[in-house]
Amino acid sequence: DTEVTQTPKHLVMGMTNKKSLKCEQHMGHRAMYWYKQKAKKPPELMFVYSYEKLSINESVPSRFSPECPNSSLLNLHLHALQPEDSALYLCASSQEWGSNEKLFFGSGTQLSVL
Amino acid sequence: DQQVKQNSPSLSVQEGRISILNCDYTNSMFDYFLWYKKYPAEGPTFLISISSIKDKNEDGRFTVFLNKSAKHLSLHIVPSQPGDSAVYFCAASATNAGKSTFGDGTTLTVKP
Repeated sequence: DTEVTQTPKHLVMGMTNKKSLKCEQHMGHRAMYWYKQKAKKPPELMFVYSYEKLSINESVPSRFSPECPNSSLLNLHLHALQPEDSALYLCASSQEWGSNEKLFFGSGTQLSVL
Repeated sequence: DQQVKQNSPSLSVQEGRISILNCDYTNSMFDYFLWYKKYPAEGPTFLISISSIKDKNEDGRFTVFLNKSAKHLSLHIVPSQPGDSAVYFCAASATNAGKSTFGDGTTLTVKP
């Protein structure tokens, strides 16, 4: 199994809603990532978890709250988002956390904030 | 300051010909480079990588060339196939940085 599975594929939420994005991998990878991608732009790193511990937070606003319940799961909790947060949210994993690791990406969650 | 640049937003080639996608970087600490391919409605998938100790890496139809002095790398696809039509992202990382920096991507269209 070389897949990273993300749910939901699409999400529309209001600025007062609370929602969660979910990501799952069963490749035994020990590093998991959240990226944000706007149209016609490159993926931008948000968070990195290594061995279920938060290793990188790229100064992401607190309305985004990551969680890594176990080595296979990664969540992104969303609360009080702004319309400019509308984007494609990509989850990725790699065997280990390191600079020379290739990333395995999920298909993403297309988020619209109204 | 964009540290990884793909200056061609799009490229169109005929099936069977060579596709050359270019990438420039500014950070001299980058020592590992990767190419990812992205189809619509899918996440990027890893294609090929190269370490700064090499100047060429080949995998089937795909070859990546690295010119450290020019801070430039290129991806060659020979022969190009219609199924290669996708967005190609160049990414670069520095040892111990723990993250890759992506370029803006180049949309490749291979015409039958």
